[in-house]
Amino acid sequence: SQTIHQWPATLVQPVGSPLSLECTVEGTSNPNLYWYRQAAGRGLQLLFYSVGIGQISSEVPQNLSASRPQDRQFILSSKKLLLSDSGFYLCAWTGTGWPGANVLTFGAGSRLTVL
Amino acid sequence: GENVEQHPSTLSVQEGDSAVIKCTYSDSASNYFPWYKQELGKRPQLIIDIRSNVGEKKDQRIAVTLNKTAKHFSLHITETQPEDSAVYFCAASRAEYGNKLVFGAGTILRVKS
Repeated sequence: SQTIHQWPATLVQPVGSPLSLECTVEGTSNPNLYWYRQAAGRGLQLLFYSVGIGQISSEVPQNLSASRPQDRQFILSSKKLLLSDSGFYLCAWTGTGWPGANVLTFGAGSRLTVL
Repeated sequence: GENVEQHPSTLSVQEGDSAVIKCTYSDSASNYFPWYKQELGKRPQLIIDIRSNVGEKKDQRIAVTLNKTAKHFSLHITETQPEDSAVYFCAASRAEYGNKLVFGAGTILRVKS
């Protein structure tokens, strides 16, 4: 069966420090991968998605970047964090093909607090 | 692009009563409509979904209805229980756009015992 791992689960970072969140998927190949952010008490904002290695689409201009160095690995990064980057970051994946490909499965999330 | 609106933003019901959450979407080509439940501090989890070739789907106490003509779909929870308290998100997508789901803003459901 497929599983998604995301880490770290929580982190507290000072303003201006770098960020790296990592996500890996097991039990499938060529997944579509996504990074969402959820600010406190808010909805789910799609940040990046990827349909293959090295293929990244950005949905919202911001202080963050994403990379997909391997088929089942997705990384969210920042060179210098802002206070507004605080939030709950969720990695997610879907398969490819129809039907069933639309089922979006989330990782456990990474809670980032920027001080 | 797709836009999904969700109402109400908060909903309080008495245990045992029914709860209904409604969503509208803008893209008539959307053909997949899932609902996610997110408990406090946890990840959103899929609870039920419906595709555009059916009008209703039920799973025990949960049902979803879809009106393609009016471009709206609804989540119905019957015989609510305290453990149903959570944030519920609707979403919509087209399969051919890399499965990007567009989410509604969420509904906070509180079930009072």
